Amino acid sequence: EAGVTQFPSHSVIEKGQTVTLRCDPISGHDNLYWYRRVMGKEIKFLLHFVKESKQDESGMPNNRFLAERTGGTYSTLKVQPAELEDSGVYFCASSQDRGAYGYTFGSGTRLTVV
Amino acid sequence: RKEVEQDPGPFNVPEGATVAFNCTYSNSASQSFFWYRQDCRKEPKLLMSVYSSGNEDGRFTAQLNRASQYISLLIRDSKLSDSATYLCVVLYDKVIFGPGTSLSVIP
Repeated sequence: EAGVTQFPSHSVIEKGQTVTLRCDPISGHDNLYWYRRVMGKEIKFLLHFVKESKQDESGMPNNRFLAERTGGTYSTLKVQPAELEDSGVYFCASSQDRGAYGYTFGSGTRLTVV
Repeated sequence: RKEVEQDPGPFNVPEGATVAFNCTYSNSASQSFFWYRQDCRKEPKLLMSVYSSGNEDGRFTAQLNRASQYISLLIRDSKLSDSATYLCVVLYDKVIFGPGTSLSVIP
């Protein structure tokens, strides 16, 4: 079974530019989550999709972040315009249920805004 | 107060030692509990779920005390390969990660 895949693995962009991160969940997993870990801090929840619907986006830091999951398959997370404090590792995870048995995480995208 | 708190660490222990990690959570409505392991520059990986009755998986034992809102992880006979950050994770309406405790097992 293929795991959760994320692309790109690393991205270095300048402040003010746009970056789009992609996550392909495990096939058949309706639940998809985005998390972020900034330097020295714990992993923080960003949002949760159930199929193509945003179930909970309470963790999205501001309106520079836009997540989509058209068709309920892969998801994208766009940051526009990027700021220095957006640097960190962005993890995607998926689960078949609501997470009662844990999530499977992707290897993350390390974003550096300079 | 943070929603999930863990021992600050780091823990540096010799091979073969027993090490215990502690975790407390603030939301009494939390439903599920997990320990994840994260290696340097890697994604978190599920180590084990934590059940009210306590559960064991080889050298790893997890305990949950709902009344005290406390979770523990015990690692016996530490191996070099156990070196990682251990994350306490709690689920109520969403998954909340603790800050993690770093473990280094020394030869």
